[in-house]
Amino acid sequence: ETGVTQSPTHLIKTRGQQVTLRCSSQSGHNTVSWYQQALGQGPQFIFQYYREEENGRGNFPPRFSGLQFPNYSSELNVNALELDDSALYLCASSLSGTSGTGELFFGEGSRLTVL
Amino acid sequence: AQKVTQAQTEISVVEKEDVTLDCVYETRDTTYYLFWYKQPPSGELVFLIRRNSFDEQNEISGRYSWNFQKSTSSFNFTITASQVVDSAVYFCALREGSGYSTLTFGKGTMLLVSP
Repeated sequence: ETGVTQSPTHLIKTRGQQVTLRCSSQSGHNTVSWYQQALGQGPQFIFQYYREEENGRGNFPPRFSGLQFPNYSSELNVNALELDDSALYLCASSLSGTSGTGELFFGEGSRLTVL
Repeated sequence: AQKVTQAQTEISVVEKEDVTLDCVYETRDTTYYLFWYKQPPSGELVFLIRRNSFDEQNEISGRYSWNFQKSTSSFNFTITASQVVDSAVYFCALREGSGYSTLTFGKGTMLLVSP
């Protein structure tokens, strides 16, 4: 186990709705990244948060947004859900900075189905 | 831009056979890191190995071995004497040395080991 926990594990939404996914990072880690994994594909980078600020973003529209809290936990919010948003959303935590190797430790993911 | 290609989408073997999973990468950075992750049905990405671009030594860990060749931009993974528990999707990933610690994944290879 990596110590990264995500909730909920499964959820079903309809088009146009909004969803919030949550992630608790591994103890001592200060950076959280989110990845989207569509069925049969590799994970794709959504964005990364370090010290409560977004410091990197992949090719995802603004309706994908996030937060990182002082305890380094994080949320991923998706507005105006589309069918193509159906995927496994993976959270990864890491320790950035000179004291860390930047290795990513993943949670088990939140599986979102949009109907 | 970086890219990871795993040409094998699915491999089926019988227990005790050896199997090699191929990975080819593209990057313009001279410093980069290569990874293999295993994804069982539970969804969590399990870290297997990391290599940096300056270390081309092959590595063996139990039944697992990795062959890193910069000349062909390949980082192949071999499982010796495969077991049913090895059945999973395996991802090769690349992280460039510059910038934040995000990973670019291949599409994965599903390995099915039958008794």
